[in-house]
Amino acid sequence: QKEVEQNSGPLSVPEGAIASLNCTYSDRGSQSFFWYRQYSGKSPELIMFIYSNGDKEDGRFTAQLNKASQYVSLLIRDSQPSDSATYLCAVIAPQGNNRLAFGKGNQVVVIP
Amino acid sequence: KAGVTQTPRYLIKTRGQQVTLSCSPISGHRSVSWYQQTPGQGLQFLFEYFSETQRNKGNFPGRFSGRQFSNSRSEMNVSTLELGDSALYLCASSLGSGVKDTQYFGPGTRLTVL
Repeated sequence: QKEVEQNSGPLSVPEGAIASLNCTYSDRGSQSFFWYRQYSGKSPELIMFIYSNGDKEDGRFTAQLNKASQYVSLLIRDSQPSDSATYLCAVIAPQGNNRLAFGKGNQVVVIP
Repeated sequence: KAGVTQTPRYLIKTRGQQVTLSCSPISGHRSVSWYQQTPGQGLQFLFEYFSETQRNKGNFPGRFSGRQFSNSRSEMNVSTLELGDSALYLCASSLGSGVKDTQYFGPGTRLTVL
């Protein structure tokens, strides 16, 4: 089982809609969860981190964490064309000596 | 506060050569992690250095090595380059504080091996 899985294919959403991204992780002891945004040809940029169960909101972004089910999600409200990017889920894995483990990412395309 | 810097930004090498990449972390950060990113494999962890010591290592051959200096700057070296080493090499710095550590990435070095 992969440490961090992002299984969805490319996600196309119309401008103004909600984009929803999901991520599951295997290490039940994980305590820290991150979402990075990566534009084509650029490096990943941290957009959200979450440590506690529940929701965390930052502007148009909401991260949701459910430790019992071992998933973390990211909602992008009022999607804009500038949100078109690949979104990477990352988890600090205690079983991996606290290194940061990444999923393969989900591409989001916002259609004007 | 200045961000993470990486030099050079682009490199073209031929098979069999070696290359050294450099990373300067955010001021005050003591941990530097290195990643290789390719379209097919995504972000793969190479190694992490903290206070001049390698703290974590990924599953890469011994041709990939690194080090960290007392000012937290880090270098990684790839010897005997292969075509498959063509990738974006990213470094990320953090405080190195364990389970709530937050990593910030540099712009990357794009390596092309011909």
